[in-house]
Amino acid sequence: EIVLTQSPGTLALSPGERATLSCRASESVRGMYLAWYQQKAGQAPRVLIYGSTTRATGIPDRFSGSGSGTDFTLTISRLEPEDFAVYYCQQYGSSRAWTFGQGTKVEIK
Amino acid sequence: QVHLQESGPGLVKPSQTLSLTCAVSGGSVSGGGYSWSWIRQPRGKGLEWIGYVSDSGRSDYNPSLKSRATISIDRSKNEISLKLTSVAAADTAVYFCARGVLVWGQGTLVTVSA
Repeated sequence: EIVLTQSPGTLALSPGERATLSCRASESVRGMYLAWYQQKAGQAPRVLIYGSTTRATGIPDRFSGSGSGTDFTLTISRLEPEDFAVYYCQQYGSSRAWTFGQGTKVEIK
Repeated sequence: QVHLQESGPGLVKPSQTLSLTCAVSGGSVSGGGYSWSWIRQPRGKGLEWIGYVSDSGRSDYNPSLKSRATISIDRSKNEISLKLTSVAAADTAVYFCARGVLVWGQGTLVTVSA
């Protein structure tokens, strides 16, 4: 299976700052089938980005995704108070198991 | 707009089979070429993909579950189901169903305990 490693584990930033989250795959992700989710306590994950770069419906343009192959990035250009949460990447392009990263927590500095 | 709702017993005894359903409303489980997944999340931990079944009938599972999981489509009820055999305390988690990556249910908590 493809192992996804997210870094950093925790990111402490202030509102208005830029957040850069990394997701590295143990082998190439087919077809850029990489998604990013945001999860807040007690809630289901919400998809932000799919296909590595496509924002889901209703997602603000301060969220952007980039990358291909084995290296992917989620960027939040200016953190809003509601953006402090846990973020997961997921690859869904493998003909074998789909997998999630272990998550990055974005917390208020 | 498609809506997914998970349901099932909140408490399952060790060694028994966990059975959950995901009711689909606002859309059909047939057609569209979608993959229907189950994902779980133990309290305070990350997301774990359990497996999927595609509209074409193909399925695949997380190898870590060692063939304990079965996901199927019930077209007559417009539902997706999950069966997980020989459960243990480590299977205690919130279980989510999802259509592709874009549509998720709210999840249902399952506790494995005697």
